Amino acid sequence: SQELEQSPQSLIVQEGKNLTINCTSSKTLYGLYWYKQKYGEGLIFLMMLQKGGEEKSHEKITAKLDEKKQQSSLHITASQPSHAGIYLCGADDPLDSNYQLIWGAGTKLIIKP
Amino acid sequence: ETGVTQSPTHLIKTRGQQVTLRCSSQSGHNTVSWYQQALGQGPQFIFQYYREEENGRGNFPPRFSGLQFPNYSSELNVNALELDDSALYLCASSLGGIGTYGYTFGSGTRLTVV
Repeated sequence: SQELEQSPQSLIVQEGKNLTINCTSSKTLYGLYWYKQKYGEGLIFLMMLQKGGEEKSHEKITAKLDEKKQQSSLHITASQPSHAGIYLCGADDPLDSNYQLIWGAGTKLIIKP
Repeated sequence: ETGVTQSPTHLIKTRGQQVTLRCSSQSGHNTVSWYQQALGQGPQFIFQYYREEENGRGNFPPRFSGLQFPNYSSELNVNALELDDSALYLCASSLGGIGTYGYTFGSGTRLTVV
């Protein structure tokens, strides 16, 4: 079965600094999703990547999927307090008859003022 | 109406009781899936419903059951509650079985079993 490993588990960053979160899959990724979660709340969709080498940006957040489609990174430029939260990567597989999303354990991001 | 709405937001139940959680899907989305998220962990897939039929299930016992209605709202029922069932329960709606167009999540129901 597919597993997703996120690193680091937690991150404390000075406001204004850049940061990167990684998500590594045990199998080739079909669809890779990045979501943000405030503590104990629902998930907010950030981006979806499907093609090897694909890169998407929204405001100060950029997500990339490597050519082999087994690793994705999420990069935040000039971090702000609003970026604080838990970042989760998820993946689905059209060959999985359960249609489920598999998730990483999350990366907790704290922004220091 | 846009977005996914879940109710209630918080719930406290006693071990052995039964609970029903509700989800109203995003307009036009015909698929709903439910996830259990323990503290500090990623969500775990419970099951998925497509056009009122369960078409996928994770590693959860039969006491976790669900329903999807013609208006695409859905329920998650849990019987014989156990302490380990304490978690955040999330529902997500999408168009079709695979999230080609993305998954929209609700804010979740925080269930505490005492």
